[in-house]
Amino acid sequence: DTGVSQDPRHKITKRGQNVTFRCDPISEHNRLYWYRQTLGQGPEFLTYFQNEAQLEKSRLLSDRFSAERPKGSFSTLEIQRTEQGDSAMYLCASSESYRPTFGSGTRLTVV
Amino acid sequence: DQQVKQNSPSLSVQEGRISILNCDYTNSMFDYFLWYKKYPAEGPTFLISISSIKDKNEDGRFTVFLNKSAKHLSLHIVPSQPGDSAVYFCAASASGGGADGLTFGKGTHLIIQP
Repeated sequence: DTGVSQDPRHKITKRGQNVTFRCDPISEHNRLYWYRQTLGQGPEFLTYFQNEAQLEKSRLLSDRFSAERPKGSFSTLEIQRTEQGDSAMYLCASSESYRPTFGSGTRLTVV
Repeated sequence: DQQVKQNSPSLSVQEGRISILNCDYTNSMFDYFLWYKKYPAEGPTFLISISSIKDKNEDGRFTVFLNKSAKHLSLHIVPSQPGDSAVYFCAASASGGGADGLTFGKGTHLIIQP
């Protein structure tokens, strides 16, 4: 069990650029989640995959946000035309049932 | 509309004493509750959970109590140790936390004083 792996750990981008983050879940976990955490807040749920099917995406923050999980393995979260308000920690989690295991996150800074 | 509330942003406790962290929720559909611990620059780590059919769950030094009528849960850490200093998040889910994900509180920063 190597845990949930996220790449990159840190990303600095200029406003208006597109960014993509990768998450590799624990291999036997069929559920995968993305969360966003801003300073002083708890993680905020964004989207959910069961295997390759994205079963919940209405909580994605805007149409600039999209996520994929091809073949039910790794997942990517893309933010298009980044804004300063997108600066946050983006967390990925995976689970078999009720107890998601989180990765260490990708910290995004938009300048 | 904050459905999970942790009203104490921080809590300072002496080493060896009991730490009690509190959490309130408003959504009566929540049926599973979890506590996560978070160190700086790391993701949250699962600590302990409780189903709504129980009122207590214990795991070593950690005990979670659930009062459904009051929509309140608490995490007790006995005895508190320096390594317990971290931010603790209360989280709740409905329907197994699948498509609804987890709803988190804002966290309580626990500081264990030597």
